Amino acid sequence: KNQVEQSPQSLIILEGKNCTLQCNYTVSPFSNLRWYKQDTGRGPVSLTIMTFSENTKSNGRYTATLDADTKQSSLHITASQLSDSASYICVVSGTGNNRKLIWGLGTSLAVNP
Amino acid sequence: SQTIHQWPATLVQPVGSPLSLECTVEGTSNPNLYWYRQAAGRGLQLLFYSVGIGQISSEVPQNLSASRPQDRQFILSSKKLLLSDSGFYLCASASQETQYFGPGTRLLVL
Repeated sequence: KNQVEQSPQSLIILEGKNCTLQCNYTVSPFSNLRWYKQDTGRGPVSLTIMTFSENTKSNGRYTATLDADTKQSSLHITASQLSDSASYICVVSGTGNNRKLIWGLGTSLAVNP
Repeated sequence: SQTIHQWPATLVQPVGSPLSLECTVEGTSNPNLYWYRQAAGRGLQLLFYSVGIGQISSEVPQNLSASRPQDRQFILSSKKLLLSDSGFYLCASASQETQYFGPGTRLLVL
């Protein structure tokens, strides 16, 4: 069964601190993995997208890593800001007949002053 | 980049009433279009997707329907709303491998 599991479910950190969010998936065969940021009451916004051959990709203070062998990805946020408070969603796409996007439930991040 | 417009932003409807949510896309042509629903505390659930005018694929059996009368217009409808239709509805447009999302419509069925 194709699944995407994220941890932790929620996280609270202080402004300026770093944090790492985890994503494990069982989607196979694998095409790409995306990380989205969703502010409360808004649509998701794409942060990164990585294919099988990519191990890391950065977007400003966001750095995503991918280990396709262990089917794990992480999203590292550096020097967090109050505006980073949001839900971060991992999405995995397969190939061929498995091309649908499988959405994780997200990690809810709160950055406190 | 693309811009996705959705309206209304918020809607409160009685059970049994009809529904029409509209989504329009700017900045691209012949996009793949999607309707998602996000219930409280749940992940995004794909409802419908369209690869072209008049072409609709349904992912989940339900009392909702979708139509694509124009290349950059996607409409979500229902003849009779159920309580379970409450949720946050998102329209998305895909360009290559990236999906762009609209601001969403929050629907509350009472």
